[in-house]
Amino acid sequence: EPEVTQTPSHQVTQMGQEVILRCVPISNHLYFYWYRQILGQKVEFLVSFYNNEISEKSEIFDDQFSVERPDGSNFTLKIRSTKLEDSAMYFCASSEVFGDTQYFGPGTRLTVL
Amino acid sequence: EDQVTQSPEALRLQEGESSSLNCSYTVSGLRGLFWYRQDPGKGPEFLFTLYSAGEEKEKERLKATLTKKESFLHITAPKPEDSATYLCAVQARGNTGKLIFGQGTTLQVKP
Repeated sequence: EPEVTQTPSHQVTQMGQEVILRCVPISNHLYFYWYRQILGQKVEFLVSFYNNEISEKSEIFDDQFSVERPDGSNFTLKIRSTKLEDSAMYFCASSEVFGDTQYFGPGTRLTVL
Repeated sequence: EDQVTQSPEALRLQEGESSSLNCSYTVSGLRGLFWYRQDPGKGPEFLFTLYSAGEEKEKERLKATLTKKESFLHITAPKPEDSATYLCAVQARGNTGKLIFGQGTTLQVKP
């Protein structure tokens, strides 16, 4: 069964460092998303991406964040200068059709020291 | 503002003891309501999508229903392996595809 994969599973970084979180969405999906979940809190939307463009972004997704689809399979989230409050689980999701079910990856746990 | 509230926050059941989880929502036009299961440290696992009031979906011991203001996830004769956090999310009509999640209900089923 096709699934969304994410690497790494856990990333530890120092405050101010850049991190890149990687995702491989399900192969025939066209819509891609990043969400995050701070420990004990709700899953929060960060950004949606379609046709090599950002479709929508939340207030959390400021200038420190960027997304890219560098090739036909990968989807990345970059945080340019990490802050302590960026520590969270980051989930990638994809859907085949707009408005359809979004399938989530296993997540990357980001710890900023 | 679009919002999702789930209750209860936590639920403890004995194996075989049926119950229901509630998801109340306010959204400016509902495109879809989604139920996910989340195990500790893992990503949300898709369970059901509901699109219109009156719709029902079933899978094994789980049944999801939808009204214009809320959704219920009914768990019949649960087993310990049903222990998890159950997340409800809504998607509004329009150009947004984002999901708005509730806080979740953490279910513990004791043998």
